[in-house]
Amino acid sequence: SQQGEEDPQALSIQEGENATMNCSYKTSINNLQWYRQNSGRGLVHLILIRSNEREKHSGRLRVTLDTSKKSSSLLITASRAADTASYFCATGGNKLVFGAGTILRVKS
Amino acid sequence: DVKVTQSSRYLVKRTGEKVFLECVQDMDHENMFWYRQDPGLGLRLIYFSYDVKMKEKGDIPEGYSVSREKKERFSLILESASTNQTSMYLCASSSRNYNEQFFGPGTRLTVL
Repeated sequence: SQQGEEDPQALSIQEGENATMNCSYKTSINNLQWYRQNSGRGLVHLILIRSNEREKHSGRLRVTLDTSKKSSSLLITASRAADTASYFCATGGNKLVFGAGTILRVKS
Repeated sequence: DVKVTQSSRYLVKRTGEKVFLECVQDMDHENMFWYRQDPGLGLRLIYFSYDVKMKEKGDIPEGYSVSREKKERFSLILESASTNQTSMYLCASSSRNYNEQFFGPGTRLTVL
């Protein structure tokens, strides 16, 4: 059962542009996480936002959370070729449920 | 540097073989997880464990079993491998009090 659904499925941008990915979920949450996966590798945790937070920053990452719409967005500013990866949102407690992911390609 | 390691990066097995995938974490985490990842389907939870000798079924446990005899080690077993178990297998761990999961590099299993 997938809780999070990312949108778009794939995104291709030029280096230096901003990339925005969206995640929608179905049930109430305590927090929402974003992960990155480089091709053929494991996932790496990027950021966690709690249900009582609306926005959170980490370096070039900005995450927003709208619990009334059951949605979150991940913004990567000034993208680099190294940001090329798949990005997943995940919800749940100890047992996370991941969406299908957004594939981001940053062209140099 | 925290680490989750998996026994193989690539594995090729034949239909009907018994397959063992090993995962070890060095963070003293209570929780450990096995996922499989297939194109278009995202990560699906196979089994997880909250403590030594404890296991719970995830969303797709059929055809798999697990073993956790030591806190740092969580094994996934395919009793009789089938071609539809060809996939990327990812192991992860997390602490009891914090949700962030740490992932291993993955094992790409091909069953012929």
